[in-house]
Amino acid sequence: GQQLNQSPQSMFIQEGEDVSMNCTSSSIFNTWLWYKQEPGEGPVLLIALYKAGELTSNGRLTAQFGITRKDSFLNISASIPSDVGIYFCAGSYYGGSQGNLIFGKGTKLSVKP
Amino acid sequence: NAGVTQTPKFQVLKTGQSMTLQCAQDMNHNSMYWYRQDPGMGLRLIYYSASEGTTDKGEVPNGYNVSRLNKREFSLRLESAAPSQTSVYFCASEGLSNEKLFFGSGTQLSVL
Repeated sequence: GQQLNQSPQSMFIQEGEDVSMNCTSSSIFNTWLWYKQEPGEGPVLLIALYKAGELTSNGRLTAQFGITRKDSFLNISASIPSDVGIYFCAGSYYGGSQGNLIFGKGTKLSVKP
Repeated sequence: NAGVTQTPKFQVLKTGQSMTLQCAQDMNHNSMYWYRQDPGMGLRLIYYSASEGTTDKGEVPNGYNVSRLNKREFSLRLESAAPSQTSVYFCASEGLSNEKLFFGSGTQLSVL
């Protein structure tokens, strides 16, 4: 089936640093979503992207829908301790039916104060 | 502002026991989903319900059954639990077919 490759798997950074992570797929996707999951909680939607080339910000977070439609990027600027968590990309591909939202395996972010 | 509510939060079962995980949403959403989350595997779809009265299999449906009791509630049943079903289970709902899922806080299930 369809798979998303999310990288890196984990990141250990210093407070104040910028963070970049990405997801790639082998198929063309028509939607990209980015979620954050904190310990003991369900994922929470951060940013949704619906158009190739789209660049959307949510506070210090910026995500882009790749122009090839096969990738997406999430950047976090000036990281703070509360950014800690697992970040998931998710997407749906052309020809997929409802319920075919595919999730990446996550990027675990640790921030050292 | 409850959103998506799942019960129980934690559960331990013996192999062969049965149980039902409950999920309810108060956002008047049409679609509801059950996922399982395993280390290194991300989120995998078990079953979903596009509307009241309909259910469809996801990626990993074997060993599970679901019931869309009404628009608010979508339950997941394990008839005969197996250790391979040890996982964290998440229920989610979606309002306008825009693929923005709202998740519950999860049920951590251990099958011994």
